[in-house]
Amino acid sequence: GESVGLHLPTLSVQEGDNSIINCAYSNSASDYFIWYKQESGKGPQFIIDIRSNMDKRQGQRVTVLLNKTVKHLSLQIAATQPGDSAVYFCAENWDNYGQNFVFGPGTRLSVLP
Amino acid sequence: KAGVTQTPRYLIKTRGQQVTLSCSPISGHRSVSWYQQTPGQGLQFLFEYFSETQRNKGNFPGRFSGRQFSNSRSEMNVSTLELGDSALYLCASSLAGSRNTEAFFGQGTRLTVV
Repeated sequence: GESVGLHLPTLSVQEGDNSIINCAYSNSASDYFIWYKQESGKGPQFIIDIRSNMDKRQGQRVTVLLNKTVKHLSLQIAATQPGDSAVYFCAENWDNYGQNFVFGPGTRLSVLP
Repeated sequence: KAGVTQTPRYLIKTRGQQVTLSCSPISGHRSVSWYQQTPGQGLQFLFEYFSETQRNKGNFPGRFSGRQFSNSRSEMNVSTLELGDSALYLCASSLAGSRNTEAFFGQGTRLTVV
């Protein structure tokens, strides 16, 4: 598959455990955020988004938390499954017009059997 | 429905040459964005086209250019290739192009400059 990043931070979790992936974003003016999942050989895939007027948003097995004070996002994955193994990126946007997102460096999630 | 299609999947070019990459968005999508992905710099926004007009541009030199056709298909061109241009080039399409419209990514074109 494609090499996404040779030296990404890696999080290893046991199957069935919860995962927490963290992201520090760069611009205090950012007001819209997305988490993406990228599997080997594929493009990023949208997971969940959150606006800056929210602190928390839940999806199916995933929760995103936003702390604007310290410019921090986290993605929580409940009951992690082998299919969750991938690289996860946060992306921020401060331009309420268009798709110009700034992506974080990514975290590789490895699910252990 | 068919996803975002990028061609070619792999490309090898020599320094100094130019290259054109193609992206066919999902049918009905009017916005196409391009990103460069490298191990060192990660995912970086190149530009976005909507209805044949470039409406956002990232911080890349003028050697990187693009265009969008009336059928929303998009091409990006890199002239005078440098070794550092070796990367995975990703395009994403979205229905309306607003930031909260989900963008769908293609599998990318792997460009290697030798």
